[in-house]
Amino acid sequence: DTGVSQNPRHKITKRGQNVTFRCDPISEHNRLYWYRQTLGQGPEFLTYFQNEAQLEKSRLLSDRFSAERPKGSFSTLEIQRTEQGDSAMYLCASSSSRTASSTEAFFGQGTRLTVV
Amino acid sequence: LAKTTQPISMDSYEGQEVNITCSHNNIATNDYITWYQQFPSQGPRFIIQGYKTKVTNEVASLFIPADRKSSTLSLPRVSLSDTAVYYCLKPRGGSYIPTFGRGTSLIVHP
Repeated sequence: DTGVSQNPRHKITKRGQNVTFRCDPISEHNRLYWYRQTLGQGPEFLTYFQNEAQLEKSRLLSDRFSAERPKGSFSTLEIQRTEQGDSAMYLCASSSSRTASSTEAFFGQGTRLTVV
Repeated sequence: LAKTTQPISMDSYEGQEVNITCSHNNIATNDYITWYQQFPSQGPRFIIQGYKTKVTNEVASLFIPADRKSSTLSLPRVSLSDTAVYYCLKPRGGSYIPTFGRGTSLIVHP
């Protein structure tokens, strides 16, 4: 595997349910990012990990959202008590700190969440 | 707040060269400029990055003038499959978290 993998690709859930998404980054990458994207907009940054440490969280990340990267490898993003406004594409990306001066990162295909 | 400015949309025809210019007036000395391409229902894909002058790869060329306050992505002889959104990025402050604007929606017509 040479790319970032996200699962599931699609998720339909009822309002109020909890959902969890998984991201497997490129194996040698120590940085991992989560984004949310809605139609017609660029990806919006949600949170960032370096190894297992969550170093930055956007104000967009309400207390219903939580992300983990327990062993510095894969990551999960959980949304509790989903709302219709959470419907979006959730993207994961990874990069290496060896490319420190650039914003080069590799993105997964995303998880499309629909809250009904 | 670190910011880049690029046109919201562009139209072109198959076989033409397309140039998309991005302004980044407050770029820091060590920052690289990075461009991404995104097709519908897919994640963005890194296509090219540069620091100054010209960089070329199999997908595109990137021109950055000496003052580095702008950059131009050049797509030679576009085809229908180049229809996508193109994002210009630069690091924001001391962080190298990829930060996206709305990008430029390029539509290539037959």
